[in-house]
Amino acid sequence: GAVVSQHPSRVICKSGTSVKIECRSLDFQATTMFWYRQFPKQSLMLMATSNEGSKATYEQGVEKDKFLINHASLTLSTLTVTSAHPEDSSFYICSASGGGPEAFFGQGTRLTVV
Amino acid sequence: EDQVTQSPEALRLQEGESSSLNCSYTVSGLRGLFWYRQDPGKGPEFLFTLYSAGEEKEKERLKATLTKKESFLHITAPKPEDSATYLCAVQASGGSEKLVFGKGTKLTVNP
Repeated sequence: GAVVSQHPSRVICKSGTSVKIECRSLDFQATTMFWYRQFPKQSLMLMATSNEGSKATYEQGVEKDKFLINHASLTLSTLTVTSAHPEDSSFYICSASGGGPEAFFGQGTRLTVV
Repeated sequence: EDQVTQSPEALRLQEGESSSLNCSYTVSGLRGLFWYRQDPGKGPEFLFTLYSAGEEKEKERLKATLTKKESFLHITAPKPEDSATYLCAVQASGGSEKLVFGKGTKLTVNP
């Protein structure tokens, strides 16, 4: 099956600093990548959709200047949480689609802002 | 607005005790309905895609079915390793690949 690698799996950062999360499709070309946020016992909430070489499309209520998404190649997308605050602590998950309807997920990143 | 409701929120079964999880949905034209398994602290693992009412798919002890309003994930003779949260998601037709997820059903299978 399709493999999506997300790194790091856990990160702790100080309030006010920025954190970058990487998402790579290892064995297919990801024309579209998605970034989600998941709170405990809650559903996955889509933050943004990115297509290779173009600007990301953000969901309503998601600050594009705070959550910077770059989809520079067909195998790599990054999410940068800028000027992180404790309320940004969450589980962030990426997924990738190779053009078909199925999307495959990374392992997730647990971000803790202290 | 596309919506997905999963029930029950949590389900405890004894090993070997078969049961079903429900996913009710409303969507403006269904492109696909997806089932995923999520273990604690991990990303969702793809299980099935269903495209049209009447379709069924099976994988080991799991079978997914689809009607025009809901999908069921049937678990036959579950084992403790089947314990996880099962997520249902829909994708609407019309070009967007966006998935709308339900909150999931947390399944615990006791030995």
